[in-house]
Amino acid sequence: QSVLTQPPSVSGAPGQSVAIFCNGSSSNIGAYYDVQWYQQLPGTAPKLLMYGNGNRPSGVPDRFSGSRYGTSASLAITGLQVEDEADYYCQSYDNSLGVYFFGSGTRVTVL
Amino acid sequence: QVQLVQSGSELKKPGASVKVSCKASGYTFTDHAMNWVRQAPGQGLEWMGWIHTETGNATYAQGFSGLFVFSLDTSVSTAYLEIRNLKPADTAVYYCVRGHGCSFKKCYLDYWGQGSLVTVSS
Repeated sequence: QSVLTQPPSVSGAPGQSVAIFCNGSSSNIGAYYDVQWYQQLPGTAPKLLMYGNGNRPSGVPDRFSGSRYGTSASLAITGLQVEDEADYYCQSYDNSLGVYFFGSGTRVTVL
Repeated sequence: QVQLVQSGSELKKPGASVKVSCKASGYTFTDHAMNWVRQAPGQGLEWMGWIHTETGNATYAQGFSGLFVFSLDTSVSTAYLEIRNLKPADTAVYYCVRGHGCSFKKCYLDYWGQGSLVTVSS
């Protein structure tokens, strides 16, 4: 069981916006530890999508944005595209366990 | 360019051991931590832990100490994951991943190996 909870699935039509939430607690996101997001396309290794809560690595489109508030974080995708269909994972540090964790993962489906 | 190239798929019997290698290139190996991530078939990502590539000090996540061992050979810029006393539940893809800020509780993983499938079956 992950200490970071995500909805199992989110869907939207092309061009729409979707948001994926990552719910943590006072020992991880709520303790101001950075949140990262990763995208895993089918059959491939994950890829860093967002780091330090809202920073995009070079090459990641600005359709993707991240934020952190309280004990939660979110990844927003605007102008959804077919190629965004993938699994998305949040990640942070938990100070009660002293290690890093991934969220449970969210599958984004483009209708 | 940064590359992490992992060893190939392995088929092992329960009780055996396996050693997965991860050869890094395109950057100074000791400038970044090396992390290991497990993904069982159809499941999510699990952070197994990480190793400080300068000191060799390893940190293991819960459930990954004892039978899982991280090691390095800095002379050839290679990290290793050894899994001992394999069980069918260890069947998974194992990724090595370069990390930033891992010593400071703000680790993010920027370059991933292609993954190594370890299958444990009698």
